[in-house]
Amino acid sequence: EIVLTQSPGTLSLSPGERATLSCRASQSVYSNYLAWYQQKPGQAPRLLIYGASTRATGIPDRFSGSGSGTDFTLTISRLESEDFAMYYCQQYGRSMDTFGGGTKVEIK
Amino acid sequence: QVQLVQSGAEVKKPGASAKISCKASGYTFTGYHIHWVRQAPGQGLEWMGWIDPNNGDTRYAQRFQGRVTMTRDTSINTAYLEVSGLRSDDTAIYYCARGAFHTYWGQGTLVTVSS
Repeated sequence: EIVLTQSPGTLSLSPGERATLSCRASQSVYSNYLAWYQQKPGQAPRLLIYGASTRATGIPDRFSGSGSGTDFTLTISRLESEDFAMYYCQQYGRSMDTFGGGTKVEIK
Repeated sequence: QVQLVQSGAEVKKPGASAKISCKASGYTFTGYHIHWVRQAPGQGLEWMGWIDPNNGDTRYAQRFQGRVTMTRDTSINTAYLEVSGLRSDDTAIYYCARGAFHTYWGQGTLVTVSS
C-alpha cells in the first residue's frame, strides 16, 4: 500500500497569500495518478486536480498541481476567502487507492 | 446531470450490519467504477474499495477484507456497501464516488454504531 504524507498539517495564511501544500508518497505513484480534493465542513469532497496537474472542470486557475514520482504539490496562487478548507491528496489507478492525512488551510 | 444519491442515516448496535445504497443517474452506470470512502468524525478520508458495475468485480482495501461487501443492481443503477460486525470505530460518514479520480460524490450516509 502506498502511504501518502501531507505537510504541513495546518497552514495559517491571509487572503491574497500563496499557499503551497505538499504530498509525498512512500513509493512512486503509477503514471502520476495523483488527485487533490478540497473539503469544507459538512460537505463532500470536491475534486480539484487529477493526473497530478490537470484541473477538474470549473476549478479556478489559481489552483495548480505539479510534481511526479513521489513528490507532489498543490499551489493556490492567491487565497480567496472560500479557499480556507481541508485539502487531501489521493493516489489512484493501481487497484488500491489511498488518501493523505490532509492539510488544513486556515485564516491567519 | 450526474448525481449519486445515497440512503439515509442509520443507527446500529455493535455486531450488527449496515447496508447503504448509492443510486446513480445522469450517466451510463456500467461505464465507471463506484468507490466507497469513509470519514470518521473529525478525521480524514479513508478509501474502502471499489466495484465495477459492468461485471461486479470488486477490490477492497486490505483492512476491510472479510467485513465489507460491495454489490450492485444494474436494473436500478444502484450500488451497495454492506459492513458487517460493526464496532464503535465504524461510526463515520460513508460516501460513494464515481470513477478512479472522484469527480462526483454522493451526499454521504452517517452510520452511528452505539449500544
